[in-house]
Amino acid sequence: NAGVTQTPKFQVLKTGQSMTLQCAQDMNHNSMYWYRQDPGMGLRLIYYSASEGTTDKGEVPNGYNVSRLNKREFSLRLESAAPSQTSVYFCASSPGWGDLYEQYFGPGTRLTVT
Amino acid sequence: KQEVTQIPAALSVPEGENLVLNCSFTDSAIYNLQWFRQDPGKGLTSLLLIQSSQREQTSGRLNASLDKSSGRSTLYIAASQPGDSATYLCAVFNAGGTSYGKLTFGQGTILTVHP
Repeated sequence: NAGVTQTPKFQVLKTGQSMTLQCAQDMNHNSMYWYRQDPGMGLRLIYYSASEGTTDKGEVPNGYNVSRLNKREFSLRLESAAPSQTSVYFCASSPGWGDLYEQYFGPGTRLTVT
Repeated sequence: KQEVTQIPAALSVPEGENLVLNCSFTDSAIYNLQWFRQDPGKGLTSLLLIQSSQREQTSGRLNASLDKSSGRSTLYIAASQPGDSATYLCAVFNAGGTSYGKLTFGQGTILTVHP
């Protein structure tokens, strides 16, 4: 039982390049999330998927797109990377949506955009 | 908009001390509050979740309390050990306002426990 896995662990992009961050969970969770963590800003929600087939914007969605590929997988795409997107990206999942459910986090992807 | 503040920003204590980390939030409309631990270069590990109807939760040497009406939570760590050294984050799952349905995180408290 691997929990939440993310690939890649590290990535360096040039401004304007595109890439997709992959996330998968093997806990049969319904809800999945993408966050970014920046010094002095804390963790901020980019997008989330409350259940398979739905996605919604979080606090900082501009410059990103997501796909809930199936119940296990939730990907984050940067279409045209900018230096402001240099950050550590975390994927998380929870059994459901509501007050009972903890969120479980992956190990993160460290992205640098030059 | 929900804001979460953690005090102190950093704490250094000798091994064996009991310590308290504080978390405050501005909007009491929350579903739950979670405490997380983050080790350098790693992801977040959930420590405790307190539902909005609960007052406290305990796990081993950790005890977290929640006073929703005053917008405060504390994480108590008993008999601290060097292995407790990490950043501790609190987050509220919002039940209303513009942050509805989202987790809002504090900036964290960096804890160092020295032998």
